[in-house]
Amino acid sequence: EAGVTQSPTHLIKTRGQQATLRCSPISGHTSVYWYQQALGLGLQFLLWYDEGEERNRGNFPPRFSGRQFPNYSSELNVNALELEDSALYLCASSFASTYSYEQYFGPGTRLTVT
Amino acid sequence: AQTVTQSQPEMSVQEAETVTLSCTYDTSESDYYLFWYKQPPSRQMILVIRQEAYKQQNATENRFSVNFQKAAKSFSLKISDSQLGDAAMYFCAYGPDSGGGADGLTFGKGTHLIIQP
Repeated sequence: EAGVTQSPTHLIKTRGQQATLRCSPISGHTSVYWYQQALGLGLQFLLWYDEGEERNRGNFPPRFSGRQFPNYSSELNVNALELEDSALYLCASSFASTYSYEQYFGPGTRLTVT
Repeated sequence: AQTVTQSQPEMSVQEAETVTLSCTYDTSESDYYLFWYKQPPSRQMILVIRQEAYKQQNATENRFSVNFQKAAKSFSLKISDSQLGDAAMYFCAYGPDSGGGADGLTFGKGTHLIIQP
């Protein structure tokens, strides 16, 4: 069974640009979570999508947005990039919203903003 | 809001020895989950062990075991017979019960575990 996949592996952008990160959950999983892991910090919860809807977001500005597609894959968009957005972005999936305690993580996308 | 604290930024242990990583958390909930995740240099977050708060018995997975003290809100990870492959960042995390993933998992800042050959 394939795990959670993320693309691209690395992404380099300039301040002010937009970045798009993609995540494919494990087959059969409907919930997708996004986390930001900045250098020296633990993971910070960004967004939660379930059944195509945004269910909740963490303490991040509206520049961080995304969507979930009918096949449950997800996209994270970061607009007007700032230097402090440089981080590892991890996606996780769970079987359903009621299985949030069993999240499987992807390998992450390393975003560098210059 | 829930918080998770890992007070040891870095730990070092000799290969084949035992090491314990500490974690404390704060929550007003009575039902929840606690986790230890491992993140090697490959960046992949790997679930090491999970503990349900309603279970008094400490979880064990092969060489990995936890000491869960609910009243003290403490959740330590013991790694026995440490191996070179155990070298990684270890994150303690808190999660809501199966009622939903509204706030995602709450992570500590991690402990960098070094295995000395």
